[in-house]
Amino acid sequence: AQKITQTQPGMFVQEKEAVTLDCTYDTSDPSYGLFWYKQPSSGEMIFLIYQGSYDQQNATEGRYSLNFQKARKSANLVISASQLGDSAMYFCAMREDYYGGSQGNLIFGKGTKLSVKP
Amino acid sequence: SAVISQKPSRDICQRGTSLTIQCQVDSQVTMMFWYRQQPGQSLTLIATANQGSEATYESGFVIDKFPISRPNLTFSTLTVSNMSPEDSSIYLCSVPGTGGRNEQFFGPGTRLTVL
Repeated sequence: AQKITQTQPGMFVQEKEAVTLDCTYDTSDPSYGLFWYKQPSSGEMIFLIYQGSYDQQNATEGRYSLNFQKARKSANLVISASQLGDSAMYFCAMREDYYGGSQGNLIFGKGTKLSVKP
Repeated sequence: SAVISQKPSRDICQRGTSLTIQCQVDSQVTMMFWYRQQPGQSLTLIATANQGSEATYESGFVIDKFPISRPNLTFSTLTVSNMSPEDSSIYLCSVPGTGGRNEQFFGPGTRLTVL
């Protein structure tokens, strides 16, 4: 069975500094995708970044990068130059990816609450 | 990216009543997913809705409590039936990205409070 573990219930970071949010996963599927979402207090789930299990390079999207270490089964999110608006819950998720498509449902971790200090 | 809208955005309901949540997507998608997020918790999949077939429910969720309709490739509804305070949650619909990209997007959610 697939499982996502986020061991940091809460994190603090100073504005303009970088922060790493930890995520480890467990799966027996050979093909899978790893996701990070941001959930502000409004409740919406904002897609941040995706990493495929066969991708050779770590994914990056603006200030977000995913540190993918397949052998260690970790997919940590790095946020560079933190901003006050980055304060939110962050969820790591995994999905089994089928060949030729992405049709599976997401399995979520428990989340990390990030607080950015001015 | 897919643009997803949900109605209502929030509601306060009395126990024993039912609420139907609508999810509209701006593109045709084969699969739509309904998730529940209880207060302070992570997201849990309720069911997968395919157009033209019965929804597939996850363990712990049943059709009588959470009936789902999927009349076409851009729309779905989730009904929360015979509500109790334990049903107070955020309900979100989700669809995979299109055009060969691997994102998965969520609607803005429906925040339900049951008194």
